[in-house]
Parts: sequence; structure tokens; C-alpha cells
Amino acid sequence: DIQMTQSPSVLSASVGDRVTLNCKASQNINKYLNWYQQKLGEAPKLLIYNTNNLQTGIPSRFSGSGSGTDFTLTISSLQPEDFATYFCFQHNSWPLTFGSGTKLEIK
Amino acid sequence: AVQLVESGGGLVQPKESLKISCAASGFTFSNAAMYWVRQAPGKGLEWVARIRTKPNNYATYYADSVKGRFTISRDDSKSMVYLQMDNLKTEDTAMYYCTAAVFALMDAWGQGASVTVSS
Repeated sequence: DIQMTQSPSVLSASVGDRVTLNCKASQNINKYLNWYQQKLGEAPKLLIYNTNNLQTGIPSRFSGSGSGTDFTLTISSLQPEDFATYFCFQHNSWPLTFGSGTKLEIK
Repeated sequence: AVQLVESGGGLVQPKESLKISCAASGFTFSNAAMYWVRQAPGKGLEWVARIRTKPNNYATYYADSVKGRFTISRDDSKSMVYLQMDNLKTEDTAMYYCTAAVFALMDAWGQGASVTVSS
């Protein structure tokens, strides 16, 4: 199985900051990496699919990059509604696997 | 608007069975692969099962943790997807989300069905 490792597990930041969340796959997953945002008590929401494609309706301050085994999600200017947990997800190989998440907290 | 609504969750004892359902609307259901993803209390996300479309022979895939115990199925005439869960274990306790590949993989999610396995 492909292991997805996210770092950091917790990130403290302030409104207006630029933040980068990391996701590393244990083997090559090509471009097949999605990012999800989950707020407490809610279902996950797709932000980015296939590494760098912004889902419809998602603000342009979110962007994704990477290839192979190393991927990043960048939020260019944090807004109050962005404080949540973010999961990466690989769909290159079975079984499909999620990272353990990065919790983005208010500093 | 795309909508997924799960139902059928509840409290069951170990080794019992439960079937949860998901009603889809707002997209061409028969063209979409469907998935179940679960989240144990306070934990991360785990993909559980996938069912493809009719042109792909309704092929199914399962996580090792549920293989042989869970069965995913769909009824395109009703725009429904199901998860039959047999021989449930305490570690199956989770919120179960129905998700769809409408335009991108797992781009639509339901609100979840809570399943608790406890004696």
C-alpha cells in the first residue's frame, strides 16, 4: 500500500499569512493527488484534484503543486474560514489512501 | 445542485449486520463511479469501497479491512448506492460518507451516516 505522510501535523498561523502544507507519497503516484478540507462536524470538501486543478467554486488563494512523490498545498493569504484540517489523497494505486491530515490552527 | 444523502446508520452489536444507503441527485448517476469513505471518531479518513459504472461491469473494489464482510452495490434506476456491512466489528465504528466522481474523483460528498458497533 502507498503511505501518504503529511507535514506538519499541526500548523499555527495568522490571518493573512501564506502557508504551505506538505504531502509525501511512499512511491510514485504521478499526478493523482487530491486535497480535501474538513471542518469540525462537516464532510470533507474537495479543493484541488490531480495535483494542481482547482475545484469549481474554490477560491484562487488555494493552489497545489508537485509530482511523483512530493506535493504541496499553498494558501496564499489565510482567511478566517480556512482554519480546518487538510487531507491529501492518492488515487494512483489500489488501495486508495489518505494522509493523516494537517490541522491548521489560529496563532 | 449535486446532492448525496446517506441513511440507515445506527447502533448494532458486534457480528451483526447493517445496510446503509445513499440517495444521489443533481447529476447523471449512471455515469459516476461511487465510493464509501469512513472516519472513526477523532481519526482520519479511510477509503472503504468503490463501484464503477455499467460500461465497466459495475466492478467493485474494497479496502483489505472490510474485504469479505462489506458489499457495495448500486441501483441506477433509483440513483442509489448501498453498503451492506456484515460481521461488524467494534473497529468499524465510524461516520460513513458516500462520495461520487461527478467531474473529478470524489468531488461530491454526503453529510455522513453514523455507525456504532458496541455491545
